Amino acid sequence: GAGVSQSPRYKVAKRGQDVALRCDPISGHVSLFWYQQALGQGPEFLTYFQNEAQLDKSGLPSDRFFAERPEGSVSTLKIQRTQQEDSAVYLCASSPGGSMNTEAFFGQGTRLTVV
Amino acid sequence: QQQVKQSPQSLIVQKGGISIINCAYENTAFDYFPWYQQFPGKGPALLIAIRPDVSEKKEGRFTISFNKSAKQFSLHIMDSQPGDSATYFCAASMMNSGYSTLTFGKGTMLLVSP
Repeated sequence: GAGVSQSPRYKVAKRGQDVALRCDPISGHVSLFWYQQALGQGPEFLTYFQNEAQLDKSGLPSDRFFAERPEGSVSTLKIQRTQQEDSAVYLCASSPGGSMNTEAFFGQGTRLTVV
Repeated sequence: QQQVKQSPQSLIVQKGGISIINCAYENTAFDYFPWYQQFPGKGPALLIAIRPDVSEKKEGRFTISFNKSAKQFSLHIMDSQPGDSATYFCAASMMNSGYSTLTFGKGTMLLVSP
């Protein structure tokens, strides 16, 4: 595709439900990043993949959050036993190299609402 | 600890005016300072970026001014247009173990009135 694609665009989950958010990066991009953007705030880093390797997961807020990129392309962010504080827009970004110091391309995000 | 502080939170500018958004950072290891523009329902998009070895960078109507000693940088939008109405985020990053991630400010909601 022409850009980073995320699905679903919107997700409503009942508290305690598990959710899976998908990211299709730009083809050939080595790096993939997940960010969390709370309402009215800037994006906050969650985790980073270089190809299939998860090199940094320091931003994941709890062990309920899990991300994978098994074949070095599509990535899934999974949140178990969702809580209301998990409500946010989850953004995926990809870049050709190992850095965001060149242009990193963001998807439109998945808006998660936990009720 | 907020590593990148952005102000103002919101800004209203008349068409044709100059929009100015300011950011300050704390970590002197940061070596890349981009500005992102975000429209409602869209992801952030890179607008312009600067490295600390220059004090100013201009691209069209957009200029970044950078003050390394003060650890501050700002975005100036000249001849602001209604289509510039969006949320703007400053960010900073540094290379760490061969990769870098972005630390964002909280954003400035800009409204350019016709």
